[in-house]
Amino acid sequence: DQQVKQNSPSLSVQEGRISILNCDYTNSMFDYFLWYKKYPAEGPTFLISISSIKDKNEDGRFTVFLNKSAKHLSLHIVPSQPGDSAVYFCAASGGGSNYKLTFGKGTLLTVNP
Amino acid sequence: NAGVTQTPKFQVLKTGQSMTLQCAQDMNHEYMSWYRQDPGMGLRLIHYSVGAGITDQGEVPNGYNVSRSTTEDFPLRLLSAAPSQTSVYFCASRQGQGAIKQFFGPGTRLTVL
Repeated sequence: DQQVKQNSPSLSVQEGRISILNCDYTNSMFDYFLWYKKYPAEGPTFLISISSIKDKNEDGRFTVFLNKSAKHLSLHIVPSQPGDSAVYFCAASGGGSNYKLTFGKGTLLTVNP
Repeated sequence: NAGVTQTPKFQVLKTGQSMTLQCAQDMNHEYMSWYRQDPGMGLRLIHYSVGAGITDQGEVPNGYNVSRSTTEDFPLRLLSAAPSQTSVYFCASRQGQGAIKQFFGPGTRLTVL
């Protein structure tokens, strides 16, 4: 049973436009959500996170929106740059002492010059 | 700080062989985890540790062993390698309870023939 779903395996956008990556979850106990970026042959790197008590978090060109009633979050990248081309993973964590992360399958973003 | 380091970067094994994937972190993080990444499957948690001497199973623990004798090191042992264990393995660490951001190593690409 996949608790974190990224239904789009890939997304292609033009440089300068907005990239929107989506993520859905099923477990209502999740209370932290994170986005990781991964380049080929490298480990994932943390991008941005959001707590379930918020509906928006912004960091430069990256904004994450959370809709708890729909169990949906999205990552917006504005403006998109060719260097943003990577696989983006959505991850979720439940409360408690172990903070295990559950990852989605990832979305490959390609930003075309 | 070197962050999270993993050795080796690449490894080829024959079915039935055993080996240990090394992971070390120099950030004095309490929590460490091992993930595997397979095409179309995202990152799946194998084992994790919340401190020296404390380990627990993740989502896909079968065929793997871990121990945590020091804060810095968290080796992953493959007891008898199988082709199904062909994957990219990532080690990760985070500060501890209350810390959400997780740091990943560069990965070990393992092929089992």
